Amino acid sequence: DIQMTQSPASLSASLEEIVTITCKASQGIDDYLSWYQQKPGKSPQLLIYDATSLADGVPSRFSGSRSGTQYSLKISRPQVDDSGIYYCLQSYSTLTFGSGTKLEIK
Amino acid sequence: QVQLEESGPGLMQPSETLSLTCTVSGFSLTSNGVGWVRQPLGKGLVWMGTIWAGGSTNYNSAVQSRLSISRDTSKSQVFLKMNSLQPEDTGTYYCARHPDYFDYWGQGVMVTVSS
Repeated sequence: DIQMTQSPASLSASLEEIVTITCKASQGIDDYLSWYQQKPGKSPQLLIYDATSLADGVPSRFSGSRSGTQYSLKISRPQVDDSGIYYCLQSYSTLTFGSGTKLEIK
Repeated sequence: QVQLEESGPGLMQPSETLSLTCTVSGFSLTSNGVGWVRQPLGKGLVWMGTIWAGGSTNYNSAVQSRLSISRDTSKSQVFLKMNSLQPEDTGTYYCARHPDYFDYWGQGVMVTVSS
């Protein structure tokens, strides 16, 4: 199975920072990579699909990119409401999620 | 609009068989896949399996021998059945529409496996 190494495990940032979360795939996944946000007690919500495409209704401060087999989710000028846990998912082969990043926006 | 809703028993005994139903609306099961994702309490997300638009299925190898996913297209329902439950199967089970990623999710159903 393809392993997704997600980092950091937790992150605290201010409103003025740029937040970056990464997922490194153990092999090429042809951009079959999506990002999700989950808030306590809620279902995950799709943010980014196909590595760089913004899901409907997601604010433009969220963006996705790739460098080699490393995928990144960037949040520019995050809001307090962006606090939560973020997961990546590769769907190139047997689906595997990253381990999650707990983000706190102060 | 697209909606998914899970239903099923909240408490199960070890060795029993879990049956969950995902009732969907706003899209057709013959045009879209639906997957199941489990989340142990306080832990991360694990894909369990998917039934595709054509009716074929794929399963996570970790649960493949115990898991079956099926559907009734006339009722817009997808079913998950998992046998030989163990306490480590405890968690929240989500169904989600699956076009290569999960774009719409149900609210989840909490399942506790305990004697």
